[in-house]
Amino acid sequence: GENVEQHPSTLSVQEGDSAVIKCTYSDSASNYFPWYKQELGKGPQLIIDIRSNVGEKKDQRIAVTLNKTAKHFSLHITETQPEDSAVYFCAASGSSNTGKLIFGQGTTLQVKP
Amino acid sequence: ETGVTQTPRHLVMGMTNKKSLKCEQHLGHNAMYWYKQSAKKPLELMFVYNFKEQTENNSVPSRFSPECPNSSHLFLHLHTLQPEDSALYLCASSRGTSGSSYNEQFFGPGTRLTVL
Repeated sequence: GENVEQHPSTLSVQEGDSAVIKCTYSDSASNYFPWYKQELGKGPQLIIDIRSNVGEKKDQRIAVTLNKTAKHFSLHITETQPEDSAVYFCAASGSSNTGKLIFGQGTTLQVKP
Repeated sequence: ETGVTQTPRHLVMGMTNKKSLKCEQHLGHNAMYWYKQSAKKPLELMFVYNFKEQTENNSVPSRFSPECPNSSHLFLHLHTLQPEDSALYLCASSRGTSGSSYNEQFFGPGTRLTVL
């Protein structure tokens, strides 16, 4: 079945360091890969996304890379700040065009000041 | 605020109760979603509605009954739930359903449900 594996489950970095979160998906038909950030008491919020016809996308301190052949995609956060502390989820679109997203298990990122 | 509101924010119910969760979006979107978020599990899609029509039911037990009277409102009717149904229930909306930034899903804050 459709599955997304996300690693690591927890990540602790020093302020200013970089953080990398990796995901692997199973459905080769997936063509859209969003990343969400969830802060305590709030719903997830989209921070960046990438489509399968693009290998890399960057938005200020965050970037996402996609290796469609290997079915891997990663989130890179540079110059981390304490306000980056949150739970991050990767997702992959389902094979049907119904809006279905398959989410990874989440990564709790802690940025220490 | 994301433009998606959910009520109530917290709900405690017994296994024999009947309750409803409400979601409203003020974004003019056409698609609405229910997700379940349990501890130590990925977000699980439950239902998708597009232009008021259900387009996805992710094998959800019949004790969860969705209702979408119009594109702005989505309900989740609950009856004879089990303790393992305790979770955060998230509603989301999007312009459309094809995978793209244009159809970004906007999430509400969720309803924290506890089934005793």
